[in-house]
Amino acid sequence: AQRVTQPEKLLSVFKGAPVELKCNYSYSGSPELFWYVQYSRQRLQLLLRHISRESIKGFTADLNKGETSFHLKKPFAQEEDSAMYYCALSAKSYNTDKLIFGTGTRLQVFP
Amino acid sequence: EADIYQTPRYLVIGTGKKITLECSQTMGHDKMYWYQQDPGMELHLIHYSYGVNSTEKGDLSSESTVSRIRTEHFPLTLESARPSHTSQYLCASRFGGEKLFFGSGTQLSVL
Repeated sequence: AQRVTQPEKLLSVFKGAPVELKCNYSYSGSPELFWYVQYSRQRLQLLLRHISRESIKGFTADLNKGETSFHLKKPFAQEEDSAMYYCALSAKSYNTDKLIFGTGTRLQVFP
Repeated sequence: EADIYQTPRYLVIGTGKKITLECSQTMGHDKMYWYQQDPGMELHLIHYSYGVNSTEKGDLSSESTVSRIRTEHFPLTLESARPSHTSQYLCASRFGGEKLFFGSGTQLSVL
């Protein structure tokens, strides 16, 4: 079965500290993974996707197939990074293309 | 403006009422999705569609139904609302395997 696990509901750090939001997945096929973010009073929006291998707002995420992980990292957290972060898995088969989300991690960055 | 629209933003109704949550997108996206989300919890996929006259149930069992008669329109209907249906409902769309665009959501409260 396809599943996305985010073990931390809340992660609190001080400004300038490194951040790592954990995401593990379970999927028998070739995974396509995403990080979505929801800032206060805003819609959910894409932060980054693994196939792009890009850095957005200083965040990066590397797909580790051996550990089935897609952790989100940022070396120096900023207050404006405070938001809800969701890891998502695109589970494709010949007739389906579902996007499955984890439970989310709330990141709080204190000044 | 190309966007995805959900109405109403908030809905408070009594038990037993029939309701329809509207979702429309003007981006020409082929795939549309409905998610259910309780506060601070994960997003559960309840329905999705790959195109006109194509609808599938998601991972979370739901008493709601959907239709996709036009590409841009993907309404969700509850024939008889109950307090257990109280939740936030998020509509989303995308083109192919591209990023998901989310609506602002409908917060439903059933008394």
